[in-house]
Formats: sequence, structure tokens, C-alpha cells
Amino acid sequence: EDKVVQSPLSLVVHEGDTVTLNCSYEVTNFRSLLWYKQEKKAPTFLFMLTSSGIEKKSGRLSSILDKKELFSILNITATQTGDSAVYLCAVEAQGGSEKLVFGKGTKLTVNP
Amino acid sequence: NAGVMQNPRHLVRRRGQEARLRCSPMKGHSHVYWYRQLPEEGLKFMVYLQKENIIDESGMPKERFSAEFPKEGPSILRIQQVVRGDSAAYFCASSPRLASDTQYFGPGTRLTVL
Repeated sequence: EDKVVQSPLSLVVHEGDTVTLNCSYEVTNFRSLLWYKQEKKAPTFLFMLTSSGIEKKSGRLSSILDKKELFSILNITATQTGDSAVYLCAVEAQGGSEKLVFGKGTKLTVNP
Repeated sequence: NAGVMQNPRHLVRRRGQEARLRCSPMKGHSHVYWYRQLPEEGLKFMVYLQKENIIDESGMPKERFSAEFPKEGPSILRIQQVVRGDSAAYFCASSPRLASDTQYFGPGTRLTVL
């Protein structure tokens, strides 16, 4: 059965800190890995990763995938209180119904 | 370009009643997915639909739950004879086409069963 495990489950930091969120996965016929940010509403798309070793960046956020070791990390530098959210990692398998398998998320709290 | 729309945002039902959740995908998107999120849990896939077709319903309970995506109008997730365990946030996502397309999520419907 496809599985996604995120760590840590929760994290509390101070503004300005750098954080690294982890996502490991087991999936048959991997297609892509996605990161979402969920505040008290819709998960909003951050990144889609399909190739190993290629970093994707968006402002203070970046992410990279390692298909050999089956994990991804999401980095946030110079954190701000607005980064407080649950960060969700999901994987999609090829040949299936395009459904996403989600981890439980990492709850990030950034204190001023 | 409006995003994925879901209504109602909050729905309260008593045990035994029916719940109908609606999802309008983004303009130009013809693929709809429903996910359920229980407290302290990740999102769990329920069903994947295209217009007038259920493609994968492997995540949907066999009884009381049904979904449709008609040719015209929104996709509907229907839960009959709701029980307390159905209380959850139900999210809809849409994507434009198959393979490698990002799924964009709606704001969710929070169902509370009294």
C-alpha cells in the first residue's frame, strides 16, 4: 500500500529561523511528489517535484526530491508568522487514477 | 478565474439525515477528486470523477456514500443516513487533464453530525 510519512509532526520556531520539513514515501510507480500549505482553509499548492536533485524555489521556500532514497525536504528560510500552517506532502503514482496519497502533515508554528 | 468552489462551507446534520456536498471545479477543469480529512489526520482520497464517469471510487465507503459529476452542474458527494463518524472536512480538488497536472483544492465543507 502506498504510504507517505512526514516528520516532525509539529514544530515551533521563532521568526527568522530556518526550518526543514521531511517527507518519506513508499509508492508503486512513482510519478510526482507535491507539497501543499494548509491554513484554515484549502490546501494551497507549493511545489510539484518529479526529478531527483533539482531544487525548486519560490521566495523563501525551496524543495528537493531524492528518488533513490525516497524522500523530499521542504525548506523555509527566515520564517515569518505567516508561515504558520500545516504543510502537507503527497505522492502520485503512475498508471493509477491520479489520486494523491497524503502524509499527516507537519504543523509549523512561527512565534514572533 | 475563480478557484475551486465548494458549498456549503459548513453543514450540520443530525444522525440519519442526508448530507449533500457540492463542488464546482476551476474553469476548464474536467477532473474532480474528493478527499476527506479527519481531525489530526491527513487527507484521504475518496473518489475521482470525470464528467459523467466515476473513474476510481476505491477510497469511498461502499455504503451510504455516492458521488456524481454530471454533464452540467457541480460534482456532488452524497452521504445518506449520516453517522457521527462522518464528521470531517471534505475537500474537492480539480485538475485540467490527466497525468502530471496539479490538483487545486477548494476550501472544503466541514460536516458536523450531531
